[in-house]
Formats: sequence, C-alpha cells, structure tokens
Amino acid sequence: KAGVTQTPRYLIKTRGQQVTLSCSPISGHRSVSWYQQTPGQGLQFLFEYFSETQRNKGNFPGRFSGRQFSNSRSEMNVSTLELGDSALYLCASSLESGVYGSPLHFGNGTRLTVT
Amino acid sequence: AQSVTQLDSQVPVFEEAPVELRCNYSSSVSVYLFWYVQYPNQGLQLLLKYLSGSTLVKGINGFEAEFNKSQTSFHLRKPSVHISDTAEYFCAVSPRTNAGKSTFGDGTTLTVKP
Repeated sequence: KAGVTQTPRYLIKTRGQQVTLSCSPISGHRSVSWYQQTPGQGLQFLFEYFSETQRNKGNFPGRFSGRQFSNSRSEMNVSTLELGDSALYLCASSLESGVYGSPLHFGNGTRLTVT
Repeated sequence: AQSVTQLDSQVPVFEEAPVELRCNYSSSVSVYLFWYVQYPNQGLQLLLKYLSGSTLVKGINGFEAEFNKSQTSFHLRKPSVHISDTAEYFCAVSPRTNAGKSTFGDGTTLTVKP
C-alpha cells in the first residue's frame, strides 16, 4: 500500500507570495492533518480534515487554510507569505473506522523556504 | 487542552547501552499516547501506542514504553541501542473524544555513539 505522498518536496518562495501544498493520504484513510515543524516551535498542529470538513483547527492565522476533496486528497494554502513561515510542513493521514486511537501516518513533508 | 513535556532535549548514549526517553503529559480528558520516530529528511513513523489495557506496550525495533497514570508519564525504553537508532523521538497525546488532534512534545534527539 502506498504511503502518504506530499508534493512538492521543496519550495522556495518570496515574501508576500502564496503557496499551495498537496497531500495524498493512504488509500482508505479519510482523516488528513497538517502540521508545521520548525526548530524553535517543534510540531504545531494546523488543522484536520475529515470527509471534506475541517474538524479541528490549531492556533494559526487565517493566512493558513486548507481543504479536502472527495477522494480524501488535501491541499494547504498559505497566503501573503512571511519569513517566519519557513518550515517543514507535514501531512498525516489516519484511518477512521469508528475506532479511535488510529495512529498518524506521515508523509516526508514539504520544505518551504521564504526569502 | 493537552500538553506534552519531553524532559530531555538530547540524549547521547553508547551503542549497546540501555536508554530511556522521558515523557510527561498533562490533560483534562482521557488521552491516547504515542511515540513516533523521525529520521533525517523524513516524516514521523509510529513506534508504539497506548490505548488501554496493559500499561507496558511493545513497539517496533525493540522499543517499549510504560504508561503510568498516577505520574502522567509515558517513558520510552530500549535495553540495547544500535547506531541506527540515532534519530529524533516524539511523544504525542490525542484526546479520546477528539482523536484527530494530536499534541506533540518538542522531541528528544537520541545520538548513539560507537
């Protein structure tokens, strides 16, 4: 079974631009979460989508948004990029079958550098 | 709300020595507990999880962890480490009633020296 796929692996953008990151979950996984990882802040939860609906949201400004499609693929968008948005963005999927405690399966991340 | 504290940011150890990575958590609701490992330039992989039942859980690569409810701890152990265990380890919790939102600790970098 293929793992979680994130594209692209690397991105370099300029301040003020916007960016879209893509995540394809493991087949059959309906929950997709996004995390920002930086050396100073560690892993910060951005949001979680389940069946095309945002179910949970972290404490990030409105410049960070996401969506999920009917095939469970998800995209994350960051508008008006700031230098502090430079980070590794990780997508994780999990199986929701009514049994909680399903672990997260992570992709290898998208490394975003804002200059 | 939940919080996770990993008590050691860096743990250096010699090959074949035992190791313990410490994790304490705080939560107002019941939680599930996880340990993940991250190798350079990769995402996180699940090592083990505690959902219920026996407080000692075994995971992949010879790791195990013990859940202590009274001390709200979930320490990770391995009796004999290998060079290949060098990586960053994350402790995480997710509320039982909202399993889609996990909170991670800041990570512990385990460095195994020959």
